[in-house]
Formats: sequence, structure tokens, C-alpha cells
Amino acid sequence: NAGVTQTPKFQVLKTGQSMTLQCAQDMNHNSMYWYRQDPGMGLRLIYYSASEGTTDKGEVPNGYNVSRLNKREFSLRLESAAPSQTSVYFCASSEHGYTFGSGTRLTVV
Amino acid sequence: DQQVKQNSPSLSVQEGRISILNCDYTNSMFDYFLWYKKYPAEGPTFLISISSIKDKNEDGRFTVFLNKSAKHLSLHIVPSQPGDSAVYFCAASSTSGTYKYIFGTGTRLKVLA
Repeated sequence: NAGVTQTPKFQVLKTGQSMTLQCAQDMNHNSMYWYRQDPGMGLRLIYYSASEGTTDKGEVPNGYNVSRLNKREFSLRLESAAPSQTSVYFCASSEHGYTFGSGTRLTVV
Repeated sequence: DQQVKQNSPSLSVQEGRISILNCDYTNSMFDYFLWYKKYPAEGPTFLISISSIKDKNEDGRFTVFLNKSAKHLSLHIVPSQPGDSAVYFCAASSTSGTYKYIFGTGTRLKVLA
């Protein structure tokens, strides 16, 4: 009964390094999303994928890229990390309401 | 421009009393609303939803009220319990497109024993 699984749970990067956040869901949902949570800002949508093979920008896409590898997996890539990308990242999948993963806490120093 | 607003960053309530969390939205296209609860170090979990065709939805101790003319919704928790202490997010979407939710900034509820 995994739901939405995110890896890693924690990561520290140096400015300029790259990394990929992984997300997988086992609920056969078509839509998947990446959000970031920052103090006082709530949850802001970075990118989403309405279905396999499609991706679209959300509210704050700059500095990120995504790949919808198949129906189960949706990854988020930071090509050149910046301190402003220090945040908690949540992946979600949905048919109507969202099911969220447990988050990745990323610190960029 | 914040389309979904939760103007109270925090709220403290005595155990057993009612907690009322408020949310305002600006986009008249929004027609489906959710409340999520989030504990520290965990992902948000779904709490309750309401469609714009209704003005009230109840699930146990949780009731959501929707006032479309005022573009306002509220979450009532009765009676409040210490385990309800968490951050609550409201979220809104237009069902005419992708279920892409816009979230408010959250309200931290503390229920005092």
C-alpha cells in the first residue's frame, strides 16, 4: 500500500550541482505533480503531467526540468542548484484529489 | 497574485472547542475545493472536499462550508482534539481542466489540552 514514493528524503547540494528527485506512484493515476513548500508561501506548483507523455509548467518552473518516464514515474531535475531552491519538495498524483508523497528536504549551500 | 488565501497563519483552540479555519479565493472559475492536513516531516493528507454545487459537506468531526458569492470557504472541527494540531491547507481547482490545485499558505492549528 505504498501510494506515492519519493526519493531521497533528504539531500544537501552545493551551489551549481545537479540532482534528480524521483517519484513513483502505484495507484494507476494519470496525473502527477511536483510542488515545493516554503515558509509563508504554502505549496506552489512547479510542473505537472496530466498524462503519460505530457508535461506542463506550473507557477514556479524556472530552474527545474521534469520527465514523465512512464505512467508510474515523474522525476524533477535541478540542473544547476541555487540556494533559492532550498525547500521541501512534494510529489503528488491524482485522479481528483491529490495523494502526496512524504517529501524531499533539499538544502542548497 | 495569491488566488487562494488563508489569512490566519496560526490558530490556538482549547481541546473540545470548535476550530474554524478560513480560506478565500479570487478565481470564479474554481469549482472544487479541498482541505489537507499536514504534520511535520510528512506529506499533506486529504481531509475533506466540497464541490461548488454544494454549500456544505460533513465527515465526522469535520465540516466544510462554501459561500460562493463571497468566494469563501471554512473548515469547522468539532470537537477539537490535540491530535488535530497540524498545518491545514485549503486548495482550489477548476474541474474544466486538469485537476491542478492552487494551495493557500496554510494555517497552523494548535489544540491545547
